[in-house]
Amino acid sequence: GAVVSQHPSRVICKSGTSVKIECRSLDFQATTMFWYRQFPKQSLMLMATSNEGSKATYEQGVEKDKFLINHASLTLSTLTVTSAHPEDSSFYICSARDRDSTDTQYFGPGTRLTVL
Amino acid sequence: QKEVEQNSGPLSVPEGAIASLNCTYSDRGSQSFFWYRQYSGKSPELIMSIYSNGDKEDGRFTAQLNKASQYVSLLIRDSQPSDSATYLCAVKLGRDSTLTFGKGTMLLVSP
Repeated sequence: GAVVSQHPSRVICKSGTSVKIECRSLDFQATTMFWYRQFPKQSLMLMATSNEGSKATYEQGVEKDKFLINHASLTLSTLTVTSAHPEDSSFYICSARDRDSTDTQYFGPGTRLTVL
Repeated sequence: QKEVEQNSGPLSVPEGAIASLNCTYSDRGSQSFFWYRQYSGKSPELIMSIYSNGDKEDGRFTAQLNKASQYVSLLIRDSQPSDSATYLCAVKLGRDSTLTFGKGTMLLVSP
């Protein structure tokens, strides 16, 4: 089956630092990748959609200058949380859509970010 | 505004029983429907997809879709304690559109 990896799985950082999260599709090519955020006991919230080679589309209320997304290849997208603050602490999950089967999204294992 | 509604639960069933999870959606043009399972602290895992009215079976899981009623459900037969998780219903308008998730229903299967 389709596998999506994320790295790191867990990160703790100080307030004001930037954190980069990588999302890779391991056995398929993903023209579109999605970044979600999930707070405890809350639903998944879509932050942005990124298409390979073009700028990401951000959902309303998500600051594009704070959450930088790069989708430089068909297998890699990165999310950089810039100048992180404690309120950015959350579970960040990426998802990739198979280019050959554009209907199904596969999720990565998630990255738990804690900002002190 | 697209909405997907689920009862938050928890839905409690004894081991071996059938668990029935329900979902309604607001956009009548929705074409694709998915059920994901999410264990606590983990990311969602795709269980089933369904596109046509009727039932679709995969092992102990059966997805049911009724587009006229804008209703999709997931039945889990012979429920096991390992099925205890939050089940997310997700809906898409078309192949290239984004998924809209419900808030999920927590299922608890007691031994």
